[in-house]
Amino acid sequence: AQSVTQLGSHVSVSEGALVLLRCNYSSSVPPYLFWYVQYPNQGLQLLLKYTSAATLVKGINGFEAEFKKSETSFHLTKPSAHMSDAAEYFCAVSVAFCDNNDMRFGAGTRLTVKP
Amino acid sequence: KAGVTQTPRYLIKTRGQQVTLSCSPISGHRSVSWYQQTPGQGLQFLFEYFSETQRNKGNFPGRFSGRQFSNSRSEMNVSTLELGDSALYLCASSSYGGTGVAFFGQGTRLTVV
Repeated sequence: AQSVTQLGSHVSVSEGALVLLRCNYSSSVPPYLFWYVQYPNQGLQLLLKYTSAATLVKGINGFEAEFKKSETSFHLTKPSAHMSDAAEYFCAVSVAFCDNNDMRFGAGTRLTVKP
Repeated sequence: KAGVTQTPRYLIKTRGQQVTLSCSPISGHRSVSWYQQTPGQGLQFLFEYFSETQRNKGNFPGRFSGRQFSNSRSEMNVSTLELGDSALYLCASSSYGGTGVAFFGQGTRLTVV
């Protein structure tokens, strides 16, 4: 079965600093990987997705992630943090070429941005 | 295109009662998945429906059930509510196959007292 592990339940950065949120996956078959963001009392919004095309994926709001098969990682980065980036971020995995849409989520990383 | 709509947004029930939550997917989406989100357990997959059939199920007791109608709208039901069922219940809709991208509703916040 597939799963993801997010390293660090809380990450704090200063405004303008690099954001790095870590995600490692486990899957016996080619995975689809996703990053979602959740603001308080809201649902999840898709930031970006990897579906076996380019390994460097660009998403919304200046975020990007790189799929590294050798490291089974899919870390999320943003060069310069903004106050509005403060939220909880979830990495998720689903099985590629599979009809069902059963996604498995990581435990989440809460990002705090200091002024 | 309207997004995923979940009703109600907030609900308070007492232990032992049952509850029904509703989800209207994005127009044209035939897959609806349900998730439970709690501070302790995070996001956990409940089940997925496609064309009125349950296609996949997470590890939840039989008190949690769902169904999907011919217009793809879905309901989930929790019977004999327990305090631990207090959570944010999220519904996600996806188009058939493809990249499996799920679009989420804002959720229903259920409080069991």
